[in-house]
Amino acid sequence: DQQVKQNSPSLSVQEGRISILNCDYTNSMFDYFLWYKKYPAEGPTFLISISSIKDKNEDGRFTVFLNKSAKHLSLHIVPSQPGDSAVYFCAASLPSGGSYIPTFGRGTSLIVHP
Amino acid sequence: NAGVTQTPKFRVLKTGQSMTLLCAQDMNHEYMYWYRQDPGMGLRLIHYSVGEGTTAKGEVPDGYNVSRLKKQNFLLGLESAAPSQTSVYFCASSSSEGTDTQYFGPGTRLTVL
Repeated sequence: DQQVKQNSPSLSVQEGRISILNCDYTNSMFDYFLWYKKYPAEGPTFLISISSIKDKNEDGRFTVFLNKSAKHLSLHIVPSQPGDSAVYFCAASLPSGGSYIPTFGRGTSLIVHP
Repeated sequence: NAGVTQTPKFRVLKTGQSMTLLCAQDMNHEYMYWYRQDPGMGLRLIHYSVGEGTTAKGEVPDGYNVSRLKKQNFLLGLESAAPSQTSVYFCASSSSEGTDTQYFGPGTRLTVL
């Protein structure tokens, strides 16, 4: 049973608009969340993260929002650019110091049209 | 600083053949991981290691073995390849689990005929 779910396999957005990628999780003990970006034929690279003590983290055009009560996080990209076209993976992990390894969602493929 | 490297980049095997995938990292990371990525399945953890000489099973360990004889290297072995093991394999490393980001290699595309 998936503990981290990305229910939208794909998303298509016009350049300059906002892209919103969603992620839901089932384990309320998760307290750290990460987004990775993956281009074809390359390994994933870290994009942005958020701790459960926050509800928002921003890095340039990328903002991650966390709603703990809904067990939901979202990644906002504003404005979207064609170079953002990639697969985005959401990952969640338990408190640092534990033996748990991050759990990944299945990914959302974002296509940004010029 | 090469980061995480994987050897080979591509490989085609026949059913029943064996092979070893090599992962190397030059960041002095304690933790190393092997994932497989299949269409629509995301990244699934095969095995991981929390330090030199240690290994542990992940979500999908069957049919694979691993070894971490040196801190910088993490080997993934397939003793008797099966078509179900056709996948893209990614190695990753991190300084510790949990909140530390993982650094991924470029992947190995394996086809088992």
